[in-house]
Amino acid sequence: DTEVTQTPKHLVMGMTNKKSLKCEQHMGHRAMYWYKQKAKKPPELMFVYSYEKLSINESVPSRFSPECPNSSLLNLHLHALQPEDSALYLCASSQVFRKTYEQYFGPGTRLTVT
Amino acid sequence: AQTVTQSQPEMSVQEAETVTLSCTYDTSENNYYLFWYKQPPSRQMILVIRQEAYKQQNATENRFSVNFQKAAKSFSLKISDSQLGDTAMYFCAFMKHGLNGGYQKVTFGIGTKLQVIP
Repeated sequence: DTEVTQTPKHLVMGMTNKKSLKCEQHMGHRAMYWYKQKAKKPPELMFVYSYEKLSINESVPSRFSPECPNSSLLNLHLHALQPEDSALYLCASSQVFRKTYEQYFGPGTRLTVT
Repeated sequence: AQTVTQSQPEMSVQEAETVTLSCTYDTSENNYYLFWYKQPPSRQMILVIRQEAYKQQNATENRFSVNFQKAAKSFSLKISDSQLGDTAMYFCAFMKHGLNGGYQKVTFGIGTKLQVIP
């Protein structure tokens, strides 16, 4: 099973709302990633969790707050977003034991900030 | 720092024909991985093929094969017998080899949009 799932598929939120994106994998991967992807652009890395600890924050604004409650679950909490934050948010995971492995991506959440 | 260059923003191919997507990269690393990811209009990014730099043999996955030229830092993707389902954005990607495990950041190219024409 090489599946990464993300919910919701679509999300529309106002600039004063608080919402969360959810990502789940059951492949035993111990690294999980959040990416932001604008139309016709490659994914941009936001955060990396390794063994449930935040390892990389690519200078992401504090209105994005990641959380990794356990080895299978990754959340992205959203608060006071701006219209320019509208994008496809992709979650990915990878194995990290003994060597570095490719990342597997979820289908993404299409976020629209109004 | 690594860079990945895809010089073909858009390409088209007739169904059943063969097409080659180009990718070049720049790195000072000796051990690394190269990937081609496919992102269809339904948006899920799917790994198509991977190549480990220390392997001289070109990777193949069914109709997909690569031409890996390490000295030239070139990594092209050949799709044989193109199918309508191959219509997608294709991203070339680079990742350093982590000798002791752990994650590594992936550097993506800007993508090539491939349209398969019936």
